[in-house]
Amino acid sequence: GDSVTQMEGPVTLSEEAFLTINCTYTATGYPSLFWYVQYPGEGLQLLLKATKADDKGSNKGFEATYRKETTSFHLEKGSVQVSDSAVYFCALIPSNTGNQFYFGTGTSLTVIP
Amino acid sequence: NAGVTQTPKFQVLKTGQSMTLQCAQDMNHNSMYWYRQDPGMGLRLIYYSASEGTTDKGEVPNGYNVSRLNKREFSLRLESAAPSQTSVYFCASSKRLGQLALHFGNGTRLTVT
Repeated sequence: GDSVTQMEGPVTLSEEAFLTINCTYTATGYPSLFWYVQYPGEGLQLLLKATKADDKGSNKGFEATYRKETTSFHLEKGSVQVSDSAVYFCALIPSNTGNQFYFGTGTSLTVIP
Repeated sequence: NAGVTQTPKFQVLKTGQSMTLQCAQDMNHNSMYWYRQDPGMGLRLIYYSASEGTTDKGEVPNGYNVSRLNKREFSLRLESAAPSQTSVYFCASSKRLGQLALHFGNGTRLTVT
């Protein structure tokens, strides 16, 4: 079935470090792919999305590229800030049904000054 | 600009007790969802409502019931709470089913003893 696998956390980085959070997916066809972010005590918020192969989603300095050949959608940021400390979720919507999100288990990021 | 509002924020129940989690959205969205979030499991869909008057089971519906009261409100009921239902519950909405962005409430932390 459809699923998302993302790297285990927690991840701890120093401010201004480079961030990569890996995400791979299993799905038939061409799903839409997403990264959501959850700040402490809040619900999830959409961070970025990509709807077809080779699309790059970007927002707030974060980027992710939809790679069909490697079934991946890795999240990157060149220079993290303390305010980026949060839990990050990779997710997909299958192309065939399109009515249910599948979420990864989440990766906790802590950025220290 | 409230978005999705959930009540209560916290709740403690004894095994066998019942309760209803409330959710309301003010974005005129057609579709609404209930998820649960558990450590190491990510978010799992309990029930969803594609539009007013319809509800459907998600991935983990057992032990829950839902009511789409009107376009704004979507409640989740636990008839006889069990410790396995200890979790954080999130309500979400979208303009329509399969819409590419979910808008989440801030969650209800439920503990069943």
